[in-house]
Amino acid sequence: QLVLTQSPSASASLGASVRLTCTLSSEHSIYTIAWHQQQPEKGPRYLMTLNRDGSHDKGDGIPDRFSGSSSGAERYLTISRLQSEDEADYYCQTWGTDIRLFGGGTKLTVL
Amino acid sequence: EVELVESGGGLVKPGGSLRLSCTGSGFTFSDYNMNWVRQAPGKGLEWVSSISSRSTYIYYADSVKGRFTISRDNAEKSLYLQMNSLRAEDTAVYYCAKDRGSSSLVVDCWGQGTLVTVSS
Repeated sequence: QLVLTQSPSASASLGASVRLTCTLSSEHSIYTIAWHQQQPEKGPRYLMTLNRDGSHDKGDGIPDRFSGSSSGAERYLTISRLQSEDEADYYCQTWGTDIRLFGGGTKLTVL
Repeated sequence: EVELVESGGGLVKPGGSLRLSCTGSGFTFSDYNMNWVRQAPGKGLEWVSSISSRSTYIYYADSVKGRFTISRDNAEKSLYLQMNSLRAEDTAVYYCAKDRGSSSLVVDCWGQGTLVTVSS
């Protein structure tokens, strides 16, 4: 069964870096995912598509501070030089034969 | 600029019906699969339904199968979600979302959302 697992919360200090993780079910470790950001009281925003080899393709206007990488079944979103507006929920997303699937989301707090 | 605009949300009683609409602009609407995704208050994102570019393939989450119907009108650049037999647990913001491409079924554009409240 296709599953995406995310830690419920993460925190990091202003100006620091943070890496968020999305873990695919082991039998789906080659899957491509997308990362989405949802700031408080706003709709989601697409950040990037991330492949199993770590190559990624960012959406229009996404700052260079956002990058992606992969290792096995894990897909990472790294945010550098954290700013207050990066405080948000972050969701990973993928697809199966007849479904789309979202991870449970990680709430990022910028200290 | 790619834009998706939803409409049609509102307050409806349990067992009632509602039809959501989404209009796309800034891209060739007929070339892309489209989706509905919802978010209940205080909860995460939940995929609801997808439709392929020519309406050949249609899929639903188990939670809405048999009650919701997705459709599209490419000439009108519009996506629809007919929601019947609504329940309290269908209360959510409903987002229209565009797929990135036929070989990459990730969402790469979101609408602003429309709120559906099911309550007596």
